[in-house]
Amino acid sequence: DTAVSQTPKYLVTQMGNDKSIKCEQNLGHDTMYWYKQDSKKFLKIMFSYNNKELIINETVPNRFSPKSPDKAHLNLHINSLELGDSAVYFCASSQDSAGEWEKLFFGSGTQLSVL
Amino acid sequence: AQKVTQAQTEISVVEKEDVTLDCVYETRDTTYYLFWYKQPPSGELVFLIRRNSFDEQNEISGRYSWNFQKSTSSFNFTITASQVVDSAVYFCALSNRRGGKLIFGQGTELSVKP
Repeated sequence: DTAVSQTPKYLVTQMGNDKSIKCEQNLGHDTMYWYKQDSKKFLKIMFSYNNKELIINETVPNRFSPKSPDKAHLNLHINSLELGDSAVYFCASSQDSAGEWEKLFFGSGTQLSVL
Repeated sequence: AQKVTQAQTEISVVEKEDVTLDCVYETRDTTYYLFWYKQPPSGELVFLIRRNSFDEQNEISGRYSWNFQKSTSSFNFTITASQVVDSAVYFCALSNRRGGKLIFGQGTELSVKP
């Protein structure tokens, strides 16, 4: 069983389109995140949610909107895609308890290519 | 400001060599956590270790060992007797609070040749 699963694994689309990436975790974790990895492998947090509540929003353009229907899911919707959005997007989760919150489990990533 | 620096962009070794990946961090917090993650060619990120700022004991796990030194703000990672399967990008990261905001270094790409 995959602990943190993201779909799709690859996403190729045209500029200006709207797309979504889905993420689900079956670990019973309270907190979920989206990280972005650029072409130089640099990883940076975008959002985090704790029990469906937004905790971190790291100066991400409004075109990116996370949605957490329940604590096991955190989807990422992107409007009006731009070339610069091309990257690998990682979903992650962690348990919100002492000694565990900082141990993140990552999904396998979604490679987004905007043409 | 918090920052993590991995000065080595790429390292190439021959199998069975020992290799050390450097990590230097900056933070003004007294409580913080340090991590190493591995990203193999398949792309997923794999948690290797977490260390809190109050525990400077070095740790060994099989062929892996970590050297945490607060005096030099370093958290170096050594692989002993490297193997081809160790080839990956290794990331050092820092966090100072709940919420999981990890500040990642630039990553070190390790290539282990047979």
